[in-house]
Amino acid sequence: EAGVTQSPTHLIKTRGQQATLRCSPISGHTSVYWYQQALGLGLQFLLWYDEGEERNRGNFPPRFSGRQFPNYSSELNVNALELEDSALYLCASSRGRVFNQPQHFGDGTRLSIL
Amino acid sequence: AQSVTQLDSQVPVFEEAPVELRCNYSSSVSVYLFWYVQYPNQGLQLLLKYLSGSTLVKGINGFEAEFNKSQTSFHLRKPSVHISDTAEYFCAVSEGTSYGKLTFGQGTILTVHP
Repeated sequence: EAGVTQSPTHLIKTRGQQATLRCSPISGHTSVYWYQQALGLGLQFLLWYDEGEERNRGNFPPRFSGRQFPNYSSELNVNALELEDSALYLCASSRGRVFNQPQHFGDGTRLSIL
Repeated sequence: AQSVTQLDSQVPVFEEAPVELRCNYSSSVSVYLFWYVQYPNQGLQLLLKYLSGSTLVKGINGFEAEFNKSQTSFHLRKPSVHISDTAEYFCAVSEGTSYGKLTFGQGTILTVHP
């Protein structure tokens, strides 16, 4: 069974640009989650999508947004990039809105802002 | 609001010695608890989970954890560590009301010396 896949592995942008990160969940998983792992800040919850809808978002500004497609894959978009957006962005998936199901993570996209 | 505290940021240990990584959580409702491991330049891998039932949970790679509701703790243990266990370990909690969000501790870096 293929795991969660994320692309690209690395992404280099400059301040003010826009970044798009992609995630494909494990087959059969309908929920996709996004987390930011920034140096010194730990793992912070960003967004949760299920069945194509945004179900919850963390304490991040609106320039962090995303969507989920009919095949349950997801995109995370970050607009007007700032230096502090440099981080590892992790995507996870699970079997729908059942909160005792563990989240399975991909290897992440490392976003570097110059 | 839920929170997770990992009491040790770094734990050095010699190969074949036992290890305990400590995790305490705070929550006003029932929780689901998880331990994840992160190897360098990789995503998070699920080690084990506590959902309900027996308070002693066994996971992969010889790890186990004990859920203690009265002390709100979920400590991770391994009786004999290997060099390959060197990694960062994260404790995480999910509440039924948290709408998909996993709250992570700050992580414990386990370094196994020969």
